[in-house]
Amino acid sequence: DAGITQSPRHKVTETGTPVTLRCHQTENHRYMYWYRQDPGHGLRLIHYSYGVKDTDKGEVSDGYSVSRSKTEDFLLTLESATSSQTSVYFCAISGSGGPQVYGYTFGSGTRLTVV
Amino acid sequence: QQQVKQSPQSLIVQKGGISIINCAYENTAFDYFPWYQQFPGKGPALLIAIRPDVSEKKEGRFTISFNKSAKQFSLHIMDSQPGDSATYFCAASKGGGNKLVFGAGTILRVKS
Repeated sequence: DAGITQSPRHKVTETGTPVTLRCHQTENHRYMYWYRQDPGHGLRLIHYSYGVKDTDKGEVSDGYSVSRSKTEDFLLTLESATSSQTSVYFCAISGSGGPQVYGYTFGSGTRLTVV
Repeated sequence: QQQVKQSPQSLIVQKGGISIINCAYENTAFDYFPWYQQFPGKGPALLIAIRPDVSEKKEGRFTISFNKSAKQFSLHIMDSQPGDSATYFCAASKGGGNKLVFGAGTILRVKS
């Protein structure tokens, strides 16, 4: 999607290894989010950021950490990957007014498989 | 525990028919209710949104109906087309909030 890119698009990793997913935006938006999408659960918030070095936990944050050292980049790290973290991960961005003003713009997702 | 409950899980509609997807919520602090549409291999995209000061909002063939007393809202797709086949998510956020909570999603298939 224009203005937001996720990398990698696909990844297979082994249980117990650390994994980092990257979200890069060119919109200079304040808010950035990481969601995971699983059948029957919809989209669940993992972590989000409201500015450089300002992050907060979402509803499913256990086993995940994030960092935002620059406005344009938001990294999601699985500290020690488990099979339960096999999922499709989406990054989203929103302007300073938040999703009620600007809505979310989502990336195209990263499909992660933990074997 | 899902803060926004969405039904049905999947839906098959004939071309030209009406697709109806329902959502319910408990948190009365929610004051913004968007719907997102997702095609296979893509991220969700904002379709239409409503605030509780109105009971209905229409954009083209898509209408949100909102019932504040029942804490329910629904998406109606009129004259459904095969191109509408996608996954639809309802969502909600609190006043002044900066994050959305999503329903579980509905997979819509429109048969031609």
